[in-house]
Amino acid sequence: NAGVTQTPKFQVLKTGQSMTLQCAQDMNHEYMSWYRQDPGMGLRLIHYSVGAGITDQGEVPNGYNVSRSTTEDFPLRLLSAAPSQTSVYFCASSRQGGPTEACFGQGTSLTVV
Amino acid sequence: GQQVMQIPQYQHVQEGEDFTTYCNSSTTLSNIQWYKQRPGGHPVFLIQLVKSGEVKKQKRLTFQFGEAKKNSSLHITATQTTDVGTYFCAGRSSNTGKLIFGQGTTLQVKP
Repeated sequence: NAGVTQTPKFQVLKTGQSMTLQCAQDMNHEYMSWYRQDPGMGLRLIHYSVGAGITDQGEVPNGYNVSRSTTEDFPLRLLSAAPSQTSVYFCASSRQGGPTEACFGQGTSLTVV
Repeated sequence: GQQVMQIPQYQHVQEGEDFTTYCNSSTTLSNIQWYKQRPGGHPVFLIQLVKSGEVKKQKRLTFQFGEAKKNSSLHITATQTTDVGTYFCAGRSSNTGKLIFGQGTTLQVKP
């Protein structure tokens, strides 16, 4: 199993540009989520999904969209990038029942200039 | 909404000293999880506690879950330089399934 795969690893955007961060998992996990990590702020939940076709907002959803058309994929879209969205983004997946440990992707370092 | 607070934010210790980080939730949790993130890396799962008052050990690491299932702690005995990193607690809501992380405690160990 590849686990959780995130692409790209690094990205620089200009203010106002749009982009999609990709996340895929091959463990048949029901639960997927996106976090952003900023110094001193820990990991803040952006959006999450409990299964295909179901998404919900986390702690800091503004400026981000998600969709979950398949169990495997959970892309994160920035419609109009802002400097405040400069951060490291992590995708994570886990089972809903039983052991619910989260498996994280390698992260995407995003800089908006 | 659900909040998870973690203290201290930073801790510098001499190698061989003990280290403890504390986690408090604003709501009762179905379980608490602990993760470690090495510098430049991604969070890696350490352990999950489910039962009220539960205590688990992993070598020099001791994890506790409070009786009210709203707080937890991680204690490292005799730290080593390999313990360097940021330790996060995370609480999972029994209602929504959301996994909310604390701010993390960054541990530095001086050899």
